[in-house]
Amino acid sequence: SQTIHQWPATLVQPVGSPLSLECTVEGTSNPNLYWYRQAAGRGLQLLFYSVGIGQISSEVPQNLSASRPQDRQFILSSKKLLLSDSGFYLCAWRDLGTTYGYTFGSGTRLTVV
Amino acid sequence: AQSVTQLDSQVPVFEEAPVELRCNYSSSVSVYLFWYVQYPNQGLQLLLKYLSGSTLVKGINGFEAEFNKSQTSFHLRKPSVHISDTAEYFCAVTPNTGGFKTIFGAGTRLFVKA
Repeated sequence: SQTIHQWPATLVQPVGSPLSLECTVEGTSNPNLYWYRQAAGRGLQLLFYSVGIGQISSEVPQNLSASRPQDRQFILSSKKLLLSDSGFYLCAWRDLGTTYGYTFGSGTRLTVV
Repeated sequence: AQSVTQLDSQVPVFEEAPVELRCNYSSSVSVYLFWYVQYPNQGLQLLLKYLSGSTLVKGINGFEAEFNKSQTSFHLRKPSVHISDTAEYFCAVTPNTGGFKTIFGAGTRLFVKA
């Protein structure tokens, strides 16, 4: 079965510091991968999605970036965090074969102080 | 383009009572419809989906939803809720034309009281 791993679970970072969140998927190949952000009390905002190695689509202009160095690895980065980057970050892959639904990671709670 | 409206931001209900969480959508193309559940500090979990066929779909944990094309709705129901159903529920739509994006509603917080 497919599983998705996301870490760290929580992170407290000062303003202006760099960020690296990692997500890996097991049990599938060439997955469609996504990064979402969930602000407190709000819905999900799509940040990036990737259909293959090195292929990144950005949905929201901001100081975040994403990379996909390997087929089942998806990384969210920032060179300098802002207070507004605080939130709950979720990695997901989408099953385009059967359910067409998402499998989400357990999330990273980022607090920028 | 698609949009999703979850009509209630919060739904308080007593244990063992029935519940309905409402979801309306708009789309110029046919869509797949989903409900996800999110427990505190966790990722979202797929509850159920409508892809085609029978408009009444059953999911995990005793939930079901009915697709109503004429009313562009996909309401989630459970005949008897438990304390453990307390969570946030998200309705979502995806174009069935092969698009890569899913649109999520803002979420409905279900609070089950003893």
